[in-house]
Amino acid sequence: DIQMTQSPASLSASLGETVSIECLASEGISNSLAWYQQKPGKSPQLLIYGASSLQDGVPSRFSGSGSGTQYSLKISGMQPEDEGVYYCQQGYKYRTFGGGTKLELK
Amino acid sequence: EVQLVESGGGLVQPGASLKLSCVASGFTFSDYWMSWVRQTPGKTMEWIGDIKYDGSYTNYAPSLKNRFTISRDNAKSTLYLQMSNVRSEDTATYYCTREDITIAAPSLYYWYFDFWGPGTMVTVSS
Repeated sequence: DIQMTQSPASLSASLGETVSIECLASEGISNSLAWYQQKPGKSPQLLIYGASSLQDGVPSRFSGSGSGTQYSLKISGMQPEDEGVYYCQQGYKYRTFGGGTKLELK
Repeated sequence: EVQLVESGGGLVQPGASLKLSCVASGFTFSDYWMSWVRQTPGKTMEWIGDIKYDGSYTNYAPSLKNRFTISRDNAKSTLYLQMSNVRSEDTATYYCTREDITIAAPSLYYWYFDFWGPGTMVTVSS
């Protein structure tokens, strides 16, 4: 199985701050990488697919990048509504998720 | 509007069987692969498996393949998950998801979950 390791496990950011979350795959996944946001008591919502493609309706402050085994999600200008848990997911061989990153507003 | 609504969860005893359902609306169900994903109380996300749009092929996470069966009824726009010989570690919220696919290159596909249901909770306990 492909293992997905996210870092950090948690972080807090000030309003307007730029935030980055990392995801490391145990083997190359050829950009088959998606990012999700989950708010308390809700189901996850797709933010990014194909490592860097923004899902319809997702604010442009969210962006994804990476290649090979290393990927990142960036939020350019933290907003209160961005609080939640973020998960990466590979779709290259079967599907596996990272452990999640909890993002809070400082 | 795409909607996915799961049902069938609840308290079940170890060793029992349980069947979850997911009714889809707002899109042409028979055009899409569908998946089940579960989230443990500790918030770990685990993909269970998926089924091709016409029901002709299923794919499972290797660790769950022998106890879980995914099926669908396109006439009813309904996805199913049959769980057998359940264990305490199967306690989780079970999500029905629509899968989308981007073809990036020949033989290179990006698989991801573009819509999720609200989930149904399954608790395995005696």
